Amino acid sequence: AQSVTQLGSHVSVSEGALVLLRCNYSSSVPPYLFWYVQYPNQGLQLLLKYTTGATLVKGINGFEAEFKKSETSFHLTKPSAHMSDAAEYFCAISQPMNTGFQKLVFGTGTRLLVSP
Amino acid sequence: DTEVTQTPKHLVMGMTNKKSLKCEQHMGHRAMYWYKQKAKKPPELMFVYSYEKLSINESVPSRFSPECPNSSLLNLHLHALQPEDSALYLCASSPRTSGSQETQYFGPGTRLLVL
Repeated sequence: AQSVTQLGSHVSVSEGALVLLRCNYSSSVPPYLFWYVQYPNQGLQLLLKYTTGATLVKGINGFEAEFKKSETSFHLTKPSAHMSDAAEYFCAISQPMNTGFQKLVFGTGTRLLVSP
Repeated sequence: DTEVTQTPKHLVMGMTNKKSLKCEQHMGHRAMYWYKQKAKKPPELMFVYSYEKLSINESVPSRFSPECPNSSLLNLHLHALQPEDSALYLCASSPRTSGSQETQYFGPGTRLLVL
């Protein structure tokens, strides 16, 4: 079965600092990986996803992630944090189910705190 | 338009009540999902509908009853819930054309409180 592990339930950065949110995956097949963001009292919004091809994936709001097979990692980064980036971030992996369906398996989430 | 809408935003119900949650999308997606998210936890899959047919039930108790009247609409009927069912209920949809790599688009959720 596929799974993801997010290291660090909370990450605190100053405004303008580098954001690094860690995600490691476990998969017996080539993985499809996603990063979603959840702002307070809202649903999930896709930031970016990796399927195949280029290992550096660019997403919305200046975020990017690099797929590293040798390290089984898919860490999320942003060069300069904004106050508006404060939210919960979920890494997810697509787990194939029977008859071709897809199940998203989420990590436990990382809360990003941004201070002025 | 990549919007999934959910109503109501908030719902308070007693353990003997019957209520329904509604989800709607107009992106032409043919797969729709219900997730449950407890506080400070990740979302967990409950049901998957594909082409208006229930395809996956993740061993959800029968007090939750999903319904897909048409390709744009997904309901979740609630009856005799327990306080531990209090959670954020998220609806999602996806095209159902590209398998495991396709994106699921989430609605804002309904926050349910069972008293």
